[in-house]
Amino acid sequence: QVQLQESGPGLVKPSETLSLTCTVSGGSISDSFWSWVRQPPGKGLEWIANIHYKGDTYYNPSLEGRVAISLDTSKSECSLKLGSVTAADTAVYFCVRLNRYGGGWSVFDNWGQGTLVTVSS
Amino acid sequence: QSALTQPASVSGSPGQSITISCTGTTSDIGAFYYVSWYQQQPGKAPQLILYDVTNRPSGVSHRFSGSRSGSTASLTISGLQTEDEADYFCCSYTSRSTFVFGPGTKVSVL
Repeated sequence: QVQLQESGPGLVKPSETLSLTCTVSGGSISDSFWSWVRQPPGKGLEWIANIHYKGDTYYNPSLEGRVAISLDTSKSECSLKLGSVTAADTAVYFCVRLNRYGGGWSVFDNWGQGTLVTVSS
Repeated sequence: QSALTQPASVSGSPGQSITISCTGTTSDIGAFYYVSWYQQQPGKAPQLILYDVTNRPSGVSHRFSGSRSGSTASLTISGLQTEDEADYFCCSYTSRSTFVFGPGTKVSVL
């Protein structure tokens, strides 16, 4: 069973860059797409980005220009960077495996526990 | 991209059936069979309960079923149980190779 563990600072100052890492264990990082999804306190889910081990990346248009997703296959890590943060970026950030169950790459089937990032001075 | 539309809350008595709708557009739900549903208990990460509109992952109760008509997908929970109280989110792949979630529906068992 693949396990995902997010890590990173819980507090980021406005205008700075949010940096998170997801460590993948119990499976190969080269099998799937890897994603970040966030959830502001008391609100719904927002898809942020996907990356495939071959390098294909996809971003939420509303965040494009501020966000970057990357993979380090040697460390089995997926990273997220979000620049110029504001209070609106305060959320629980989830690392998620995007899998393919016979059709397209469409199934978010394995979620990390999430990490709360607060943007505040 | 606009979020999908879901009712804020749905409630039912134990044993009843409830249905949660998820409305999108011809660029997401109406264009692809890639609609999934997630259950989220308080303080926990979401869990996959349906994928590709109608399919249940291994281990998910048969009481959960899905359908799609045009640009609207639906999740039905049959034989409602107290353990079904949770937030439910729909998600769709889009024509821009992105994903969009609904705002979530809170299910209450009366």
